[in-house]
Amino acid sequence: QVQLVQSGPEVKKPGASVKVSCKASGYTFRSLGLSWVRQAPGQGLEWMGWINAYNGNTNFAQKFQGRLTMTMDTSTSTHYMELGSLRYDDTAVYFCARGEQLWAYLDYWGQGTLVTVSS
Amino acid sequence: DIQMTQSPSSLSASVGDRVTITCRASQSITNYLNWYQQKPGKAPRLLIYAASDLQSGVPSRFSGSGSGTDFSLTISSLQPEDFATYHCQQTYSTPWTFGQGTKVEIK
Repeated sequence: QVQLVQSGPEVKKPGASVKVSCKASGYTFRSLGLSWVRQAPGQGLEWMGWINAYNGNTNFAQKFQGRLTMTMDTSTSTHYMELGSLRYDDTAVYFCARGEQLWAYLDYWGQGTLVTVSS
Repeated sequence: DIQMTQSPSSLSASVGDRVTITCRASQSITNYLNWYQQKPGKAPRLLIYAASDLQSGVPSRFSGSGSGTDFSLTISSLQPEDFATYHCQQTYSTPWTFGQGTKVEIK
């Protein structure tokens, strides 16, 4: 069965970077893209960006341009999301989610990783 | 960016009620509209994609409709496990934006 398993919670200081992993299993890794979505405490869902697992191309929301990186390791079927220059309002649960190729809906989700930005 | 507006932001309903949540896009998204259910502390779950297609394993009491800018999610007979927050999302153009969510609570 399809599974996305994310790395554990992180606490970071303002200005630092955080790297969250998302290990995929149960499907052909390079056949489908992956989105990262975050949710601040008590807030709605915010789409951050997407990576094409076939060729590594990425598409980011404008607000994250310049401090967001998405990479992948095909040898371990693992996706990575790195967010730099962290601010207090980056405190959120970060989800990875598999994206269907044509309609791009997110059909399988990781369990979420809490990133807390605190001095 | 395409703005997605859900209404209502919250609602109270009883088991067995018929519930409808609406989602409006700031421009036409044809039928690139998805619905997710989220329970506290959990990841979202895909319910409906392409505006009206039911995801595998989702009960048939859930249905979606609409095209262009106006969409709706209907739960035909609310069950205890349906009390949750519902999110719409457009995947017509990036950034793939979400609505603000609709919380369905027990009356």
